[in-house]
Amino acid sequence: AQSVTQPDIHITVSEGASLELRCNYSYGATPYLFWYVQSPGQGLQLLLKYFSGDTLVQGIKGFEAEFKRSQSSFNLRKPSVHWSDAAEYFCAVGAWSSASKIIFGSGTRLSIRP
Amino acid sequence: DTAVSQTPKYLVTQMGNDKSIKCEQNLGHDTMYWYKQDSKKFLKIMFSYNNKELIINETVPNRFSPKSPDKAHLNLHINSLELGDSAVYFCASSQVVQRDQGEQYFGPGTRLTVT
Repeated sequence: AQSVTQPDIHITVSEGASLELRCNYSYGATPYLFWYVQSPGQGLQLLLKYFSGDTLVQGIKGFEAEFKRSQSSFNLRKPSVHWSDAAEYFCAVGAWSSASKIIFGSGTRLSIRP
Repeated sequence: DTAVSQTPKYLVTQMGNDKSIKCEQNLGHDTMYWYKQDSKKFLKIMFSYNNKELIINETVPNRFSPKSPDKAHLNLHINSLELGDSAVYFCASSQVVQRDQGEQYFGPGTRLTVT
């Protein structure tokens, strides 16, 4: 069974600074990996996904993530954060099966310092 | 047009009552889900339906009963509500094509408060 860990519960960065949110997964085969963002009081929006191919994935809002099989990681990065990036970020791992099940990490709350 | 919609957005009710949450998607997807997000933001899948057939049923009390009248709708009925049922419930949908696990599109959530 797959699992995902987000080791950072809460991160604060200054506006304009770079960002990296960590995600580690556990799965026996090639996983499907996702990053979702949840703004306060909102549903989840997909930022980017990795299925196969190029290990550096570009997403919306200037985010990117890199799949590193050797480290079982899929960290999310952004070179310069904006105040509007303050939100909860969820990493998720899935596996092909008829059940189409996705397991979410516990989330990382991002705060932006003016 | 809203892709995945849920009603109601807020639901406040007393212990012991029965309530329903409705979900509709207009994306043409064949798979729909219900998730529960607790106060610590932890998201856990509850149910999944593919073409009206139940394919995921996690360890959920049988007070919770999903119903899918067609592949665009997945409703959640909860009997005998308890304080611990207070949470935000998210509906989602996806389209799985062969080995490509489609991303899930989420509704705005229903905040259920049981008093």
